[in-house]
Parts: sequence; C-alpha cells; structure tokens
Amino acid sequence: SYELTQPPSVSVSPGQTATITCSGDKLGGKYASWYRQRPGQSPVVVIYADNKRPSGIPERFSGSNSGNTATLTISGTQAVDEAEYHCQAWDSSTSVTFGGGTKLTVL
Amino acid sequence: QFQLVQSGPEVKKPGASVKVSCKASGNSVTSYGISWVRRAPGQGLEWMAWISAYNGNTDYAQKFQGRVTLTTDTSTSTVHMELRSLRSDDTAVYYCARVTYYESTGYYSDWGQGTLVTVSS
Repeated sequence: SYELTQPPSVSVSPGQTATITCSGDKLGGKYASWYRQRPGQSPVVVIYADNKRPSGIPERFSGSNSGNTATLTISGTQAVDEAEYHCQAWDSSTSVTFGGGTKLTVL
Repeated sequence: QFQLVQSGPEVKKPGASVKVSCKASGNSVTSYGISWVRRAPGQGLEWMAWISAYNGNTDYAQKFQGRVTLTTDTSTSTVHMELRSLRSDDTAVYYCARVTYYESTGYYSDWGQGTLVTVSS
C-alpha cells in the first residue's frame, strides 16, 4: 500500500515561515492536498491539486510538489495557524492516502 | 450553503455493528461523491471508502473490504456508513466529506462535524 510520511511536529516563531513536508514514492506524479485540523474540529482544505488555494484561505498558504516530496509553506505564520496539518495524495491507482499529520506549534 | 450533518455519537460492544449517517443540505447529495475518513486517538486521518451518490458506485480501502458498506438514500440526501465486527481499535471519530473534482484529481472540500464511535466492552 502507498504511504506518506510527515514529520510529527514543526515549530515556528510568529511572523516566520513554516515548512511542512510530505514524502512518498513518486509523489510528484500524483496530486497532493493539505488539510488543517484544529483540536475538536473537522479538517479544512488549505491547498489542493498541489498548489491551489481555496477561496477563504489566506495567501500566506502555498504548496508545491515535486519528486518524492510535497511541501506546505506558511509565510508570516500567525498564532491562529497553530493546528495539525495532514497531507493527502490522490491517484487513480493508489486511491486516497493521508500522511500521519504534523503538529504545527507557533511559539 | 452546502453542509454535511452527521448522526450522533455511538457506543458499541466488540463484535457489534454501527451505522453512521451523513445528511447533505444546501444541494442534493446525488451531485457528489462522498468519502468516509476516520481518525483514531493518537493517529492520523485514514480513508475508508467512497460512494458516488449519483449512481451508487463504491470504492473501499482494502483494509475495510468486507467490513464496511456505504449506501445512499437519494430521497433524503443521506449517505450511510455501516461498519461491522467492531473492535476496540475501531474507536475513532468518523467523518464524511464531499469530494470536489479538479482536473484529474479530487479533494475534500466540505466535511461533516464528525461522529465519535466508541467500542468498549
């Protein structure tokens, strides 16, 4: 089965850039999405199709996907961005796979 | 505004079955694909299954094959997820999510509020 690997945790200072990675075999050949999940809440998509931002998601969120790694970048990180972030790959052969999630701490 | 509303929390004994519902409002569920995703304590999100509410086609994760069934009731715009032979490690929050398609991919644009299923003797 297909697997996606994320770091368990990432820390960033307010105003700095947070980078969260998601690794999988030939992930660059699939589409990656990212979801933010705050404690006790349902996930919310922040990036889809590698680098598309849904309406309502701030411009400080961006994404890229190449080789074996997809990356979520949050520029000018704010305290409100503290949450868990999950990557997801979609491929016709591997169906849907989620990463293990990364807890982003803003301190 | 499109919304998915799920049924309430459940407590079940090992070996029992649970059926969780997901009702769409704001638009007919038959226009979309609906997936079920769960999150067990201390774990990440886990994709379980998908159903086309339009034609009833389904796709199940290999891990859940034979144990999960998705059905749709178009008259009430509701999708049901039944999980059988429950074990303690099925304790999780179960989410339904609408699939939005973009080019050759899909992503989950709307989520239900989640349903806690607790399996305990």
